Amino acid sequence: QSALTQPASVSGSPGQSITISCTGTSSDVGGYNFVSWYQQHPGKVPKLRIYEVSNRPSGVPDRFSGSKSGNTASLTISGLQAEDEADYYCNSYTSSSTWVFGGGTKLTVL
Amino acid sequence: QVQLMQSGAEVKKPGASVKVSCKASGYTFTGYFMHWVRQAPGQGLEWMGWINPNNDGTHYAQKFQGRVTMTRDPSISTAYMELSRLRSDDTAVYYCARDLLSTGSGGPGYWGQGTLVTVSS
Repeated sequence: QSALTQPASVSGSPGQSITISCTGTSSDVGGYNFVSWYQQHPGKVPKLRIYEVSNRPSGVPDRFSGSKSGNTASLTISGLQAEDEADYYCNSYTSSSTWVFGGGTKLTVL
Repeated sequence: QVQLMQSGAEVKKPGASVKVSCKASGYTFTGYFMHWVRQAPGQGLEWMGWINPNNDGTHYAQKFQGRVTMTRDPSISTAYMELSRLRSDDTAVYYCARDLLSTGSGGPGYWGQGTLVTVSS
C-alpha cells in the first residue's frame, strides 16, 4: 500500500484560506468516505481535525473543513492563524481493511 | 476522559524484539479499535496496524507483515505491539491511538503519549 500523495509544503498569510490535497486511488480515498486529517506541531502528538471526509470532532474550530472528489480529498483552513502553522497528514481506510497516511504537508503562515 | 498511557522508552540492539504497552482508561476498552502508528525522526506518520480488542482480530500494513504482532488483555484494558527483528530504521516514536468511533471508521482519534524505541548496536 503506497502512501497517499500530499504536497510537501503550502503557505498562506494570516486571514487567508489554504487547501491541502491528498490523492489516492479507488482502493482507498476514492472507495470510502473514511478520510481523516491530522495536525501535528513540532515535538507534539498528532491531533485529529477532520474525520469521515468532512466531520469535525468536538472542539475543532469550524475554520477547518474537509471534502472529497473522486480519488482526492482536501483539507481547507480558512481565516489562517499563526497557530495553524504545523504539519498536516491525511489518512484513509483501504480495501485491505488497513489505513494509510499521506506523506505530510508543512503549512507555513507567512 | 479517554486516556492512553504507554510504556517507557526502550533501547534495543539490531535483531532484537520490542514490546510496547498501551493502557486505556475512560472508556469501554473492547468497544473501539486500537491503531498503532510510528514516526521516525524527522519523518511522517506511518500506520502499522490495528486490533479489535473485542475479538482479537488484527490487520497489519503489508510492510510489517511477519514482523509485528498486536495483542490485547481486556482484563487490564491494555493493548500491546511487538516488533521483531529490529533494524536501525525501526528507530521511531511508536503511538497507540484509539479509533474515534466505535464503528472503526473515524481513524486514530485519541493518542497515547508515544514511546521512543531506539535501535542501536
